[in-house]
Amino acid sequence: DAKTTQPNSMESNEEEPVHLPCNHSTISGTDYIHWYRQLPSQGPEYVIHGLTSNVNNRMASLAIAEDRKSSTLILHRATLRDAAVYYCILAPNFNKFYFGSGTKLNVKP
Amino acid sequence: DTGVSQDPRHKITKRGQNVTFRCDPISEHNRLYWYRQTLGQGPEFLTYFQNEAQLEKSRLLSDRFSAERPKGSFSTLEIQRTEQGDSAMYLCASSLVPGADTQYFGPGTRLTVL
Repeated sequence: DAKTTQPNSMESNEEEPVHLPCNHSTISGTDYIHWYRQLPSQGPEYVIHGLTSNVNNRMASLAIAEDRKSSTLILHRATLRDAAVYYCILAPNFNKFYFGSGTKLNVKP
Repeated sequence: DTGVSQDPRHKITKRGQNVTFRCDPISEHNRLYWYRQTLGQGPEFLTYFQNEAQLEKSRLLSDRFSAERPKGSFSTLEIQRTEQGDSAMYLCASSLVPGADTQYFGPGTRLTVL
């Protein structure tokens, strides 16, 4: 099972950028890197995904290292609504996800 | 696009009873997944379907668990003879393949076994 390593928790101030790191040294060539977040008592919510190149969408940016062994989710201006558990997931063979324990992001007003 | 829906949202049952959960995926999504999440942990994969075919089952899915996806649309997850250890959030997700297999999750069904 493809494995990721994330810090247990991080803290940010509102309206400041947040960089959430993820290490995945055993990534294989066909693994996509997915990021999801989960608010209490809700299902995980898709944030962004990528394969090799950096990606941007309306929610966030994903920066992927050249060797693909690590990635960073970037929230450009954190809001209180961004407080959640963020999961970095590798998806081997385009099917089941293996979630780790994620990073709990706390946003201070 | 109404998203993935799950029913019921909450279920309280007594040990030994059978329970059934339903998941309605996003229309046209051909893959459907079931996950289980206990408090403080990330979701754990249980099983997935491509159309009506169940392609993989985790070893977490004991003989008391069965899942179906008749006609490749909605899916049901049944737990027979529930145990207190079955208490968890049961999450359903759907995706469209081929592609990056981005999975869209429902709100989950919270099961409490007394």
